[in-house]
Amino acid sequence: GENVEQHPSTLSVQEGDSAVIKCTYSDSASNYFPWYKQELGKRPQLIIDIRSNVGEKKDQRIAVTLNKTAKHFSLHITETQPEDSAVYFCAASPYGQNFVFGPGTRLSVLP
Amino acid sequence: DGGITQSPKYLFRKEGQNVTLSCEQNLNHDAMYWYRQDPGQGLRLIYYSQIVNDFQKGDIAEGYSVSREKKESFPLTVTSAQKNPTAFYLCASSPTSGNRGEQFFGPGTRLTVL
Repeated sequence: GENVEQHPSTLSVQEGDSAVIKCTYSDSASNYFPWYKQELGKRPQLIIDIRSNVGEKKDQRIAVTLNKTAKHFSLHITETQPEDSAVYFCAASPYGQNFVFGPGTRLSVLP
Repeated sequence: DGGITQSPKYLFRKEGQNVTLSCEQNLNHDAMYWYRQDPGQGLRLIYYSQIVNDFQKGDIAEGYSVSREKKESFPLTVTSAQKNPTAFYLCASSPTSGNRGEQFFGPGTRLTVL
């Protein structure tokens, strides 16, 4: 089955700097890769996703890149702000199958 | 928050008791899911249901049971057979079962065994 690894487990950046979180997956059949943000005590919320037919997707300060050959995908946050502080989860899923989530990255944006 | 709700928010249970966690959605989604979240770990799938009156075990189903009698509802029972039930439980739904797409999460229930 699918296995998703995520690095780093914790990340601290200065406000205004960029943050990058990387995930690797094992199942070459996976074709959907969402990223969820979970603020303390709250529910996870989808912030961006990418399908295997594209290599990059951007939404304002957030972007996701996908390298199918290497089986990894990354979340990029530019111009970080204090409200970006949260736990971020990646996930991978073959078509029609359940998500497998990574263990999460705790991002702290320092003022 | 509308969409998908869970109750209660906090639940305390004595050892040996069964407890049921509620999950309701008004999004008209076919598929529903239960996840368990432990500190420092990702979300692990307990059970999922693709359609009414049908459900399947996830990765950590032992000690849990579910039912899906209505499209809107997917309650989870944590039985006394679950050896370490203290955790944060999240319910989610997605529009279809064929293409999972975006999953919408409920606010969660924090279960503590005393």
